[in-house]
Amino acid sequence: GESVGLHLPTLSVQEGDNSIINCAYSNSASDYFIWYKQESGKGPQFIIDIRSNMDKRQGQRVTVLLNKTVKHLSLQIAATQPGDSAVYFCAEERGDYKLSFGAGTTVTVRA
Amino acid sequence: EPEVTQTPSHQVTQMGQEVILRCVPISNHLYFYWYRQILGQKVEFLVSFYNNEISEKSEIFDDQFSVERPDGSNFTLKIRSTKLEDSAMYFCASRTGGQETQYFGPGTRLLVL
Repeated sequence: GESVGLHLPTLSVQEGDNSIINCAYSNSASDYFIWYKQESGKGPQFIIDIRSNMDKRQGQRVTVLLNKTVKHLSLQIAATQPGDSAVYFCAEERGDYKLSFGAGTTVTVRA
Repeated sequence: EPEVTQTPSHQVTQMGQEVILRCVPISNHLYFYWYRQILGQKVEFLVSFYNNEISEKSEIFDDQFSVERPDGSNFTLKIRSTKLEDSAMYFCASRTGGQETQYFGPGTRLLVL
């Protein structure tokens, strides 16, 4: 079936290093993609989004890349900090405006 | 900064009881959503609400579920007769318009015994 998924369930990264979190999607009709961060016991927190007419978008310490050819989305976090430890979800949206979430990647930052 | 708020933060109920989960979306938002997350799993869409009616619902959102916007600020999710498998975190979200960012509340953790 069509779904959004992440390549790896866990990622351990050294503080100060860059992190890359990957996501594959299968629905070519999706035209809006979002990365959310979820800390334990809290709701998903918006990080950055990208529309299908773009292939890169940058925020503060974060960059999202979209490769529509291979249906791949990635989130890059520069200079990872302890506060970046969380579960990261990619989500896709089609014209129906509801979000479909991937399974999540747990990022652990090592001091 | 405006936030989506939800009450209660935790709810424990007996199987078969009715529960109402409450949300106050961001004030200028027009689209409202409920999602749920079973422990350790991904966030799942339940229902979307716009212009005082349901615009879409998932297979999970059966006849036991209902939503309401009783006034200009609250958005509620009611489960009429809870089942054990309804135990989950329930998140409310809102947005200004279509394909704009959805902002999530902190969630209500529902435990059905």
